[in-house]
Formats: sequence, structure tokens, C-alpha cells
Amino acid sequence: GQQVMQIPQYQHVQEGEDFTTYCNSSTTLSNIQWYKQRPGGHPVFLIQLVKSGEVKKQKRLTFQFGEAKKNSSLHITATQTTDVGTYFCAGAQAGTALIFGKGTTLSVSS
Amino acid sequence: GAVVSQHPSWVICKSGTSVKIECRSLDFQATTMFWYRQFPKQSLMLMATSNEGSKATYEQGVEKDKFLINHASLTLSTLTVTSAHPEDSSFYICSARGTSGSGNEQFFGPGTRLTVL
Repeated sequence: GQQVMQIPQYQHVQEGEDFTTYCNSSTTLSNIQWYKQRPGGHPVFLIQLVKSGEVKKQKRLTFQFGEAKKNSSLHITATQTTDVGTYFCAGAQAGTALIFGKGTTLSVSS
Repeated sequence: GAVVSQHPSWVICKSGTSVKIECRSLDFQATTMFWYRQFPKQSLMLMATSNEGSKATYEQGVEKDKFLINHASLTLSTLTVTSAHPEDSSFYICSARGTSGSGNEQFFGPGTRLTVL
């Protein structure tokens, strides 16, 4: 079945450093979504990528979807303490449920 | 954005009892709802996909007789954990996908933390 792999599992950075998490799917995706989950909270939708090679930005966050629509990345520039949490990628084929990666837990020290 | 609620937000029950969790889409119609389970510090694992008016589709390894799902209306899906045991203790999260608008985006409920003693 479809698998979504995400690395690294954990990442600790100093405030102001950059951070990147990578996501790879075993199958071609129709779309990939990114979620952020704070400790004790539920996943919150960040963005959806649909087109091959798509790049989207949200302030300090940059999301990319690979040309083959099988990989994606989330890059945070100049991290802040408010960025802490677990970032999940989730991929889906057309009409199917999202399959989540294991997530990357980001911690930031000031 | 669209709002999904879950009730209860947490529940503690004795082993052997059944627990019902409700998932409601408050301001949109959800043709499809999904149930996930999340163990501490782990990812969300899809349990089942529920379409309004039809039987749920369960993922491999999920017992359909233990986790009963009912999606009787376009705004409500329920998950009943039957004869709960301590190993069923987990965070259960539902999500809903609407009939229009943002396509594949799923809106998540706040989750229900189940503890079975």
C-alpha cells in the first residue's frame, strides 16, 4: 500500500536557524498537504500542493512539491520559538484518504 | 475555515465498557469523514473512511466489529469502541472532507483522548 516517509524524526535548532523536513511517497500523489500539531493539540492544516514542481510560501515557510509528485519539503527560515511542534506531511491519491508521514518534531531554543 | 467538533474531548472508562465518540461538521456538509488514531509521540494512523449513508471502509488490521462507525448524516459520524481494553487507550481524531470548495482538504476535529482503566 501507499507509504509516506518523513525525515528527520526530530530536529533541534537554535532560534534564528533554518529548518527543513522532507517527505517521500512510495507512489505518485495527486496532492500533498502539510499540517502542524502543537503538543496536546490536533493537526492544523498549513497548505496543499497539487501541481508538479509547485512552490508556495507562507511568510517564513516555503513548501515544495517535486516534479514527479512523489516528494515534498517544508523549509522554515529563521525559526522562532513559536515554530515548535510536529510537522506532518500527508499525501493522497485522487479520492483517497490522506496517509500521514511520521512527522518531524521541531524544538527551538532561544 | 470549516469547523469540526468532537465529543467528548476526553473520556475515562472501565475495561469492557463501550464508548461512543461523535464527530460533527458544524458549518459544512461532509460527504466523507475519516477516523484516525494517534498514540503518544506517533503519527496519525488512518482507521477507517466513512461515507454518508454507506458502510465504512476499514484499514487493514482495524477490527470493524470493535470499532463501529456510523455516518448517518452529512454532518455527523460516530465511532464506538466496543468492549474497550487498556490497549485501546489513545487519541482518536476525526476529520471531514466537504462537498465543495477546497477539494481534498480535510478539516480535523480537536480529538478525543480515551483512557481505559
